[in-house]
Amino acid sequence: DAGVIQSPRHEVTEMGQEVTLRCKLISGHNSLFWYRQTMMRGLELLIYFNNNVPIDDSGMPEDRFSAKMPNASFSTLKIQPSEPRDSAVYFCASTTDRGGTEAFFGQGTRLTVV
Amino acid sequence: QKEVEQDPGPLSVPEGAIVSLNCTYSNSAFQYFMWYRQYSRKGPELLMYTYSSGNKEDGRFTAQVDKSSKYISLFIRDSQPSDSATYLCAMTDRGSTLGRLYFGRGTQLTVWP
Repeated sequence: DAGVIQSPRHEVTEMGQEVTLRCKLISGHNSLFWYRQTMMRGLELLIYFNNNVPIDDSGMPEDRFSAKMPNASFSTLKIQPSEPRDSAVYFCASTTDRGGTEAFFGQGTRLTVV
Repeated sequence: QKEVEQDPGPLSVPEGAIVSLNCTYSNSAFQYFMWYRQYSRKGPELLMYTYSSGNKEDGRFTAQVDKSSKYISLFIRDSQPSDSATYLCAMTDRGSTLGRLYFGRGTQLTVWP
């Protein structure tokens, strides 16, 4: 298994543009987490899904952010319109829902909004 | 108050030193405790995993959990420059959180030769 795969690895975009980040889960995992990491705030949980259903989106900063899980192995995080303060590294991680099990992270998408 | 508190450092030590990294937490339901290591420009990777209280040793690394004090530690013996990374503590309960981990902010460690 190739692990959690995120794309793109780097994204530079202008303020106001739409940005879509993508994540492919590890086969057999059924919980998916989107995190944002900055120097100031560390790793922040944005939203997580279990069996393709959004469970908790309280970490999503505002309506400009949306996430979907159209099938069991794939998820997208969309920012529209993007703002400079959205610049961060975005990680997705997958695990099983049994609790107490390892979460596997992707390599992250480094987003820069200018 | 955040669920998990961790001093972000940075921490800088000479090669061969013993390193102590710590986290405190507030949720007594947490039973699984983990340490993730994150190298620069990489995703976090699991380093150590402990269930409930006690110690666990893996080579130069020792994880300790004191549930009565809600305090966990990671010790690194004979630290090496390759240990330079950010260390994040993480924890979760049995299953009600559907696999969600609660992370500390991470401590940035530099081991210089």
